[in-house]
Amino acid sequence: NAGVTQTPKFQVLKTGQSMTLQCAQDMNHEYMSWYRQDPGMGLRLIHYSVGAGITDQGEVPNGYNVSRSTTEDFPLRLLSAAPSQTSVYFCASSYRQGNSPLHFGNGTRLTVT
Amino acid sequence: AQSVTQPDIHITVSEGASLELRCNYSYGATPYLFWYVQSPGQGLQLLLKYFSGDTLVQGIKGFEAEFKRSQSSFNLRKPSVHWSDAAEYFCAVGAGEGAGGTSYGKLTFGQGTILTVHP
Repeated sequence: NAGVTQTPKFQVLKTGQSMTLQCAQDMNHEYMSWYRQDPGMGLRLIHYSVGAGITDQGEVPNGYNVSRSTTEDFPLRLLSAAPSQTSVYFCASSYRQGNSPLHFGNGTRLTVT
Repeated sequence: AQSVTQPDIHITVSEGASLELRCNYSYGATPYLFWYVQSPGQGLQLLLKYFSGDTLVQGIKGFEAEFKRSQSSFNLRKPSVHWSDAAEYFCAVGAGEGAGGTSYGKLTFGQGTILTVHP
């Protein structure tokens, strides 16, 4: 049972480069989301999706794009990386019910120089 | 808007001592409340959750938490801490029953409390 799988685990980018963080889940969860974790700030919601073809912005969406073409996958795209996007990124998923807890991936540590 | 405050950034306890991590939330109705634990380099693991009913909820690894509506609190407790409990702990609040389907899963997290355990 893989759960939520994130790739890569580590990434270093130069300012202005683009990249995609991958997230896949095998639990048939409708809801998927991306958070970033910064020291002393907890986790902040970037984007989320309640099903294939449906996405919406969270608390800190600027500089990031998402799409949801399948139930399983929810990639996060950085169009033009900035040093302020240096962070640890977590993908999470759950059933689309209020009492369904989030299941988290192990994170991607991104450094932008 | 919902919010969560964890007043203690860092707590140090001795192994075998009792533990209480504080969490205060802001939400207009009865929320869904969660505690997660994060070991270094890992994702977040659910410890326990509160949705309704009994205000004292039991979780994994011997943790429990009590929902106190009058104090808007959801403090995490453990009677005897083990060295393996050293980690960062996050309290989170989510939209409660009746909030609407697109609200579910949009958790708001506190800043986290780092727990150090001395032998």
